Amino acid sequence: GAGVSQSPSNKVTEKGKDVELRCDPISGHTALYWYRQRLGQGLEFLIYFQGNSAPDKSGLPSDRFSAERTGESVSTLTIQRTQQEDSAVYLCASSLLAGAAVNEQFFGPGTRLTVL
Amino acid sequence: QQPVQSPQAVILREGEDAVINCSSSKALYSVHWYRQKHGEAPVFLMILLKGGEQKGHEKISASFNEKKQQSSLYLTASQLSYSGTYFCGTVFQGAQKLVFGQGTRLTINP
Repeated sequence: GAGVSQSPSNKVTEKGKDVELRCDPISGHTALYWYRQRLGQGLEFLIYFQGNSAPDKSGLPSDRFSAERTGESVSTLTIQRTQQEDSAVYLCASSLLAGAAVNEQFFGPGTRLTVL
Repeated sequence: QQPVQSPQAVILREGEDAVINCSSSKALYSVHWYRQKHGEAPVFLMILLKGGEQKGHEKISASFNEKKQQSSLYLTASQLSYSGTYFCGTVFQGAQKLVFGQGTRLTINP
């Protein structure tokens, strides 16, 4: 019955290392979204999952970014060869039904990524 | 394609009213409003579908002008708890993603 959870809450890594960010959506929620929020900025769409498939990956900044979702639940966002410009809060959101147009999104607390 | 929000920041005294605008250059199917307090996740306020409807949530309401592709969020008799950054999110016809504006920071002082 809990909300969206994300782990880790904070991640500090060195430039060039790979990181994995995890999102556990609300149970039963079909749609899952990843966003990036740089300090003092708005939310930048990264990728959208409907079930286990990703109909829209248009927001992934480069081929260093990838994401997958298994079992219509947990999703992992992977950033390879991290760069300093990857530093941001990565937010995950889920909604009961697919279709961003009409469905409320529930956000997790985010993972703050710092690349040194 | 990112919607433009105005103003970027507002400072009010408790009890005053505020209006936050969100404009798009592209035809919209729906507009969403979220509030984010410092260090917290965004929280959903409301969704407006094309058709010019107005919705309300406590003393917070919003309208959607389809002709102008613009939505406005109205905060009446503001309370200290209304402080935070307000984001509009827009969905274009046929799309499945929210495109968020840059946010409007609202500060309510006693």
